[in-house]
Amino acid sequence: GAVVSQHPSWVICKSGTSVKIECRSLDFQATTMFWYRQFPKQSLMLMATSNEGSKATYEQGVEKDKFLINHASLTLSTLTVTSAHPEDSSFYICSVSRLAGVADTQYFGPGTRLTVL
Amino acid sequence: AQRVTQPEKLLSVFKGAPVELKCNYSYSGSPELFWYVQYSRQRLQLLLRHISRESIKGFTADLNKGETSFHLKKPFAQEEDSAMYYCALSPRASGSARQLTFGSGTQLTVLP
Repeated sequence: GAVVSQHPSWVICKSGTSVKIECRSLDFQATTMFWYRQFPKQSLMLMATSNEGSKATYEQGVEKDKFLINHASLTLSTLTVTSAHPEDSSFYICSVSRLAGVADTQYFGPGTRLTVL
Repeated sequence: AQRVTQPEKLLSVFKGAPVELKCNYSYSGSPELFWYVQYSRQRLQLLLRHISRESIKGFTADLNKGETSFHLKKPFAQEEDSAMYYCALSPRASGSARQLTFGSGTQLTVLP
């Protein structure tokens, strides 16, 4: 498997501020990480694919200038929610992709609960 | 576009009864299907994948390409099976990281 951590586990911020969420791969070097968001009682929606050393690939409808992703090392990807608003309140989950042969498996972090007041 | 449908948001069964969680998909190519599980206050974790053809915690799932389904089954449910179950789809393995498309999830409750 793979061990994935996220920090912080929860954060409350005021509207208009920026919040950074970290995703760390603790036991292997992850070239690719994914960021998801999950609204209450809804499924995980992929926001972006984060590749080490290159720009993230964002899903349709996700604002790249609002959700800044940086994957500067093989063990760390960060998601910064800029100028957060109450509608950005959600559960943000990252995953790392680990290859075994030709098949990859995603291993998930515990998630970060963001509440914007 | 790819899509995963889980028609039941909630499912309750009694302990010892059979359980089936439904999953249907639409995808133009050859997909790989997964079941992920999320126990209370825990992170999402892989339960099984169709290419492995294995039974995990007594659960099995068979890919039916004709019906485009990947239903999750267990003959005798246990209380510890109570959790949120997500069906997911990705393109066939190709040696690189693949995106997952998730269904909306089914909350399974096994009653004593």
